[in-house]
Amino acid sequence: QKEVEQDPGPLSVPEGAIVSLNCTYSNSAFQYFMWYRQYSRKGPELLMYTYSSGNKEDGRFTAQVDKSSKYISLFIRDSQPSDSATYLCAMSALWETSGSRLTFGEGTQLTVNP
Amino acid sequence: DAGVTQSPTHLIKTRGQHVTLRCSPISGHKSVSWYQQVLGQGPQFIFQYYEKEERGRGNFPDRFSARQFPNYSSELNVNALLLGDSALYLCASSFVWDQPQHFGDGTRLSIL
Repeated sequence: QKEVEQDPGPLSVPEGAIVSLNCTYSNSAFQYFMWYRQYSRKGPELLMYTYSSGNKEDGRFTAQVDKSSKYISLFIRDSQPSDSATYLCAMSALWETSGSRLTFGEGTQLTVNP
Repeated sequence: DAGVTQSPTHLIKTRGQHVTLRCSPISGHKSVSWYQQVLGQGPQFIFQYYEKEERGRGNFPDRFSARQFPNYSSELNVNALLLGDSALYLCASSFVWDQPQHFGDGTRLSIL
């Protein structure tokens, strides 16, 4: 079983739609939760970074973390064609060696149609 | 400010060869991590370095090695290349080891 599960899609929506992207995880040690956006032939770009359960909003993006259910979500309001990309959820735990690593989901490919 | 820079952008090698990939972190960042991303999958953790010390290693064979220099730049070395090593190799930096990681655009390695 993978530590992080993410529906790979693809997901296709019309411009202006609300998009919901989700990940589940199994490792209770995960403490930090992130969403990255990756355009074709580019590296992942950090969108959202959260530590605790609850909601965090940044412009059209809202990240939601539910540690009790081991479930995180990213909502995109008023989606735009420029939002078309692969969205990766990532999580990390802290080690005693003063290190950490990101564990990624498979990524969801999103297309927003004009 | 410049982001994370990686070189080269693309690289073609043959099986059995050796490769060195380079990464310059964001100015002021002291931690560098390396990830491998196979087409259609999320990145997989290879190494993390902080203050020039290895802080973590992923589930990769000993053919993979890395180091961090006094200026916090880093190199990833892969020996005895296999076809399965074909991937996008990503470098990420963070201010300290437990802060958000920011990625470069990667080195695309193709093994023939």
